[in-house]
Amino acid sequence: AQSVTQLDSHVSVSEGTPVLLRCNYSSSYSPSLFWYVQHPNKGLQLLLKYTSAATLVKGINGFEAEFKKSETSFHLTKPSAHMSDAAEYFCVVSEDSGAGSYQLTFGKGTKLSVIP
Amino acid sequence: GAGVSQTPSNKVTEKGKYVELRCDPISGHTALYWYRQSLGQGPEFLIYFQGTGAADDSGLPNDRFFAVRPEGSVSTLKIQRTERGDSAVYLCASSFQKAASGTNTQYFGPGTRLTVL
Repeated sequence: AQSVTQLDSHVSVSEGTPVLLRCNYSSSYSPSLFWYVQHPNKGLQLLLKYTSAATLVKGINGFEAEFKKSETSFHLTKPSAHMSDAAEYFCVVSEDSGAGSYQLTFGKGTKLSVIP
Repeated sequence: GAGVSQTPSNKVTEKGKYVELRCDPISGHTALYWYRQSLGQGPEFLIYFQGTGAADDSGLPNDRFFAVRPEGSVSTLKIQRTERGDSAVYLCASSFQKAASGTNTQYFGPGTRLTVL
């Protein structure tokens, strides 16, 4: 069975400083991993995804994540936070459930606050 | 159309009533998923359709919940005898995924916020 642990429920950074959102996963096979962002009262938007190609994945808005199999981690980073980055971030794992369903399993989310 | 659309955006109902939530996926997407997001939590999987058939309904919490996709496009999630614990945001996602072909990106709709009084 697959699962995801987001290590911080809330992260606060100053504008212009680096962002690190931590995620560990558990999966039986070779998983696909994603980060989604959810702005208040808006839908989930895909930031980036890892599907067994390059271990360093670049996404939208300057975000990137590194897949580390030995550490079962998929941490999300950004060199310089912007006010518009304030949102809820979800780490997500996906693998075939056995019924052809590549359902997504979400972590509980990390709320990112950006201080001016 | 542009993205996944869901109607209504908000639904308030009374305990014991029946509700239907609609999802219109991206045109051409064969796979459709329903998720439920409770307050302060990440979304949780409910059911997966490949075409018209419910290929995986293992996430449905009980037999009060049912979903259909009769023509392989629009899907309706149906909840009978609603309970206060059903209050949540119900999300729909679609992807261009052929069965057993591996993960493809799921695109989410804005969700329907269901409140059961």
